[in-house]
Order: sequence, then C-alpha cells, then structure tokens
Amino acid sequence: EAGVAQSPRYKIIEKRQSVAFWCNPISGHATLYWYQQILGQGPKLLIQFQNNGVVDDSQLPKDRFSAERLKGVDSTLKIQPAKLEDSAVYLCASSSDGRTGAYGYTFGSGTRLTVV
Amino acid sequence: RKEVEQDPGPFNVPEGATVAFNCTYSNSASQSFFWYRQDCRKEPKLLMSVYSSGNEDGRFTAQLNRASQYISLLIRDSKLSDSATYLCVVIGTSGTYKYIFGTGTRLKVLA
Repeated sequence: EAGVAQSPRYKIIEKRQSVAFWCNPISGHATLYWYQQILGQGPKLLIQFQNNGVVDDSQLPKDRFSAERLKGVDSTLKIQPAKLEDSAVYLCASSSDGRTGAYGYTFGSGTRLTVV
Repeated sequence: RKEVEQDPGPFNVPEGATVAFNCTYSNSASQSFFWYRQDCRKEPKLLMSVYSSGNEDGRFTAQLNRASQYISLLIRDSKLSDSATYLCVVIGTSGTYKYIFGTGTRLKVLA
C-alpha cells in the first residue's frame, strides 16, 4: 500500500513569511496527526484529526498555526507568520485504528522547514 | 518531571554487543507502549509494541515494568545497521489517546 505522502520535502523561508505543508494519509486511515520535531527532540503532537474533525489541538500555537482536513482525507498545516523557532521537521502520520493508535502510526517522510 | 524520559546517549557499542535502553513514564494509567526507530534525517518507524508479558522479535526484546513505570529495549548481537535513534512512545490517557514521545536514545554500533 502507498505510504503517507507529504510535500514539500524541504522549505526555506524568511521569518514573518507564510508557509503551508500538505499531507495525504494512507487510504482508509481515518486518523491523521501533525507532529513537530525539533532537532534533538522527540516529535511533539500539534493536532489530531478523526476524519475531518479535530480531536486534539491543545499544543497547536493557534495564533500562528492552523490546520484543516476538509474532506476527511488530505490535510494542510499552515504557519503564518513564521518565527525562527518554527524551524523543525513537520511530520504527518496516520493510523487505521480509530483514536487509540494502538496499532502504531505510519509517518510520512516529513517537511524540513528552515526559517531564516 | 517529563511525561516520558529517555537517556539521550549516545550509546557507542561494538558490533556483536548487547545493549539495553530504558524509558520511564510518569502517568501510571498509561495503557500502551511502543518503541520506534528513527534513522538520521528520516521519519520514525514502528519497531515493536511493548506488551505486559514482554515480547521478542529476533534480536530485539521489549519489556514493561508497570510497578516501576518503565519500559526497556534490549538489542542482542548488535549490527552496524542498528545505529539509529530509538524513540520510546507512551499512549497517555489524559482525555485523548495521545502519543507521547521521548526524546530518543542514540545508538552507534561501531565496527
């Protein structure tokens, strides 16, 4: 089966600019996650969708980050305006077992964002 | 106290050695546990689930100690290809089934 697709692979922007990332989960996976991984740290959950509804966005900096999954399939994550500390890898993941993730996640290859 | 803690390493071991990592978690109600492997500049990939009874997959053994609130990963007969970062994952129970990642432990297997 095809994996989780993400684009772009790399992005370099200046601070205060906007950027958007795209994710297409594995077909049939209802649950989609966006994670931020800063160098040397473990991934941190930004937002979790179940179909097109938000399950958890408690760690999403809502003053600058937004995410949507309008049709319950692919998703976009936007940062506006970007700050230097947003430099990180943004990972999208999906899972097939509803909200629990008890069977593990499949991650996309990520988007490496550098803010200069 | 962090929810999930790991020794960042690096653990430098010779080929053929046995190496073990521990990961401690703070929420005693946590239900599910995993080990993920992350190669340099790659995404995390599921290595194995951690069951209450422990589980083994080839050279890898994972164990859970609920009383002391830690999980462990043992790698026997280390290969050069085992060099990676090993991420501990705990599924929390604070309202949502949230994956909580540790910071990872770096392993370098030396020839």
